[in-house]
Amino acid sequence: DAGITQSPRYKITETGRQVTLMCHQTWSHSYMFWYRQDLGHGLRLIYYSAAADITDKGEVPDGYVVSRSKTENFPLTLESATRSQTSVYFCASSESAGLGFSTEAFFGQGTRLTVV
Amino acid sequence: AQTVTQSQPEMSVQEAETVTLSCTYDTSESNYYLFWYKQPPSRQMILVIRQEAYKQQNATENRFSVNFQKAAKSFSLKISDSQLGDTAMYFCAFGTRANSKLTFGKGITLSVRP
Repeated sequence: DAGITQSPRYKITETGRQVTLMCHQTWSHSYMFWYRQDLGHGLRLIYYSAAADITDKGEVPDGYVVSRSKTENFPLTLESATRSQTSVYFCASSESAGLGFSTEAFFGQGTRLTVV
Repeated sequence: AQTVTQSQPEMSVQEAETVTLSCTYDTSESNYYLFWYKQPPSRQMILVIRQEAYKQQNATENRFSVNFQKAAKSFSLKISDSQLGDTAMYFCAFGTRANSKLTFGKGITLSVRP
């Protein structure tokens, strides 16, 4: 299916465990992003990637690791999950910024992660 | 750094009426875009409308229109003829061509009453 998909949709994990959230897009968009959504904070950027093998920190990167070996995949790993990382996580993608592009982001359906 | 402020956490409107959601932003950029995203209970983020900062004309998409005041750094969303399906959380967002990152406001929960 075309679009951007996240897996899993729901995840419960224990404090201290490593967990990886997957994101896959079929548009060959250059940019990919990970946001977390928390009540009262809106969406905050965790990490983003401008292309394969190029990643950079966003507003709240601590405790997270990303990689982008292929253009279509952008997994997010919580190395040692903490309760404060309980959140809804969104992956998004957009075309390369530049003349004529609007930077509109297309979002996955989100992953609700609960750390107990 | 950019900031986006949505100061109203909740609003309610009667079906078929008009409602305006407020958003202000702060930036030193001159070339940027503004967006309104809708998040219904399904959690899916849906683009409602976008505005390029270099365009003076306000964007319109069917029942949705914006009032873009560049000097005041204000970007409000007007929903006309509100429908029950408009019940959702709405986020204002700011983006630049430099890196495609979006900065979001905290969101506003809109309830449409039958």
